[in-house]
Amino acid sequence: AQSVSQHNHHVILSEAASLELGCNYSYGGTVNLFWYVQYPGQHLQLLLKYFSGDPLVKGIKGFEAEFIKSKFSFNLRKPSVQWSDTAEYFCAVIRNTGFQKLVFGTGTRLLVSP
Amino acid sequence: DGGITQSPKYLFRKEGQNVTLSCEQNLNHDAMYWYRQDPGQGLRLIYYSQIVNDFQKGDIAEGYSVSREKKESFPLTVTSAQKNPTAFYLCASDPGGSSYNEQFFGPGTRLTVL
Repeated sequence: AQSVSQHNHHVILSEAASLELGCNYSYGGTVNLFWYVQYPGQHLQLLLKYFSGDPLVKGIKGFEAEFIKSKFSFNLRKPSVQWSDTAEYFCAVIRNTGFQKLVFGTGTRLLVSP
Repeated sequence: DGGITQSPKYLFRKEGQNVTLSCEQNLNHDAMYWYRQDPGQGLRLIYYSQIVNDFQKGDIAEGYSVSREKKESFPLTVTSAQKNPTAFYLCASDPGGSSYNEQFFGPGTRLTVL
């Protein structure tokens, strides 16, 4: 079965530090990849997505992610975090053939201290 | 404003009681989903519906039931057969028919069994 791994369950950073959250998936075929974010008290919302083309994708609020097919990875990055980035981040993967279910990782809780 | 509404925000239930969580969307989406979110486990799919009057079991459907009588509504019933129902429940929707769709999420319902 397809699975998505997020190895960092909790991350604590100071403002202005750089961020990288890992995401690996198990499916070997063609996939579409997403990062969702859940800010405290808010809806889960899309941060960025990758379908094809340039493997470095940019999302909202200065986030970016790089798809490395050979490593089955889609890591999320931000050069300089802000206190407002405190949230839970979820990686999600879906196979792009026929109807497939979106599979989520276990999430990473990020706390940015001012 | 277009979006997804879930009610109630908080729900308390006694053991042995069934309870129904509401999910309504005005996005004209065909596909709707119910997820359960537990700390450290990410989002797990309970049920999904690709079109009105049709729905399918997800990964953890035991102890839950749904209906999809209207396009905009996808209520979830947590039955007394669900062994560990205390959780945060998220409803989502997307246009359907493609793995390239972003899913849109409601604010969630936090269910506590007393």
